[in-house]
Amino acid sequence: GEDVEQSLFLSVREGDSSVINCTYTDSSSTYLYWYKQEPGAGLQLLTYIFSNMDMKQDQRLTVLLNKKDKHLSLRIADTQTGDSAIYFCAERPPGTYKYIFGTGTRLKVLA
Amino acid sequence: NAGVTQTPKFQVLKTGQSMTLQCAQDMNHNSMYWYRQDPGMGLRLIYYSASEGTTDKGEVPNGYNVSRLNKREFSLRLESAAPSQTSVYFCASSHTSGTRTGANVLTFGAGSRLTVL
Repeated sequence: GEDVEQSLFLSVREGDSSVINCTYTDSSSTYLYWYKQEPGAGLQLLTYIFSNMDMKQDQRLTVLLNKKDKHLSLRIADTQTGDSAIYFCAERPPGTYKYIFGTGTRLKVLA
Repeated sequence: NAGVTQTPKFQVLKTGQSMTLQCAQDMNHNSMYWYRQDPGMGLRLIYYSASEGTTDKGEVPNGYNVSRLNKREFSLRLESAAPSQTSVYFCASSHTSGTRTGANVLTFGAGSRLTVL
């Protein structure tokens, strides 16, 4: 069955890079998403990647995909205190409505 | 643009009471969703509506009913609230569903925090 796993917590110092990891199990081609949730707010899309891609970069964000290991990572360069939030990994196989979310990783940025 | 609007933001109920969570989107999206978020469990799908006039059960539908009133609105009803339904509820929408092409990203509302005593 499909499952998405993430570690629950990550703590980094301001200015360092953050790397948030995610593993998924769906064996078919799939869309993979990163969402950010700030306190008291809904989820906002950060970026997404299709499983035929290896990497996607958008300003401070870099997504890396290892298809063989079904491992997805989100790297945030020059992490700021405003990046403190919960980050959710999700996948959606094409042809389905079913978005499968991980438990979320709470990122804490220390000044 | 308002995006996805949920009401109420906060609600406290007693066990056995009923209530309806309202959701509306102004993006002309076809598909709408209700999720619940619980600590350590991520988001779990309660119900889904692929298009106006259709609804389908998600992962945790028991104790809930939904109505897709029109293309804009999708409500979630708790007929007899239980403490296990204490959670944060999110409504979301996307342009289409079940497509083989396109990222079809979800747009979320700000959430409704429900406490059942």
